[in-house]
Amino acid sequence: AQSVTQPDIHITVSEGASLELRCNYSYGATPYLFWYVQSPGQGLQLLLKYFSGDTLVQGIKGFEAEFKRSQSSFNLRKPSVHWSDAAEYFCAVGTLTGGGNKLTFGTGTQLKVEL
Amino acid sequence: NAGVTQTPKFQVLKTGQSMTLQCAQDMNHEYMSWYRQDPGMGLRLIHYSVGAGITDQGEVPNGYNVSRSTTEDFPLRLLSAAPSQTSVYFCASRSGFGSYNEQFFGPGTRLTVL
Repeated sequence: AQSVTQPDIHITVSEGASLELRCNYSYGATPYLFWYVQSPGQGLQLLLKYFSGDTLVQGIKGFEAEFKRSQSSFNLRKPSVHWSDAAEYFCAVGTLTGGGNKLTFGTGTQLKVEL
Repeated sequence: NAGVTQTPKFQVLKTGQSMTLQCAQDMNHEYMSWYRQDPGMGLRLIHYSVGAGITDQGEVPNGYNVSRSTTEDFPLRLLSAAPSQTSVYFCASRSGFGSYNEQFFGPGTRLTVL
């Protein structure tokens, strides 16, 4: 069965600093990987996704992620964080079991941005 | 285009009561699913459906029932609520059976069982 690990429960960065959120996955086949963001009291919004091809994927709001098969990682990065980026971030791996995709989520990383 | 809508936004139940969480989407998506979100545990799949009349269990199905009579609606029923079902519930939908199109999430229902 697939699994996702987000080792950092909380991260605090200063506005304007760079950001990297870690994600490691376990899956026997080629993974379908996603990063979602959840603002307080809101649903989840897709930041970016990786299916195949270029291992560096660009997403919305200036985020990017790099797929590294050798490290089973899909870390999320942003060069300069804005105060509005404070939210909870979830990494997820998808499978095509039963003809429909199922998402297995990590436990999330809460990002705090200091002004 | 409202996307995925969920009602109610908040609900308080007593142990043993039943209720239905409503989910609707207006994007003609085949695939719909229910997740619960608990602190420190991320989102866990409860039930999903790949089309009208077809449902299947996810990771944590016990205590919940679903049905899919139309493409638009996918209600989640709690038959006899328990405190362990206190959680935030999210409904999601996507198009493209067998493919990896983006899942769209509703705003969530915050349920408290006393």
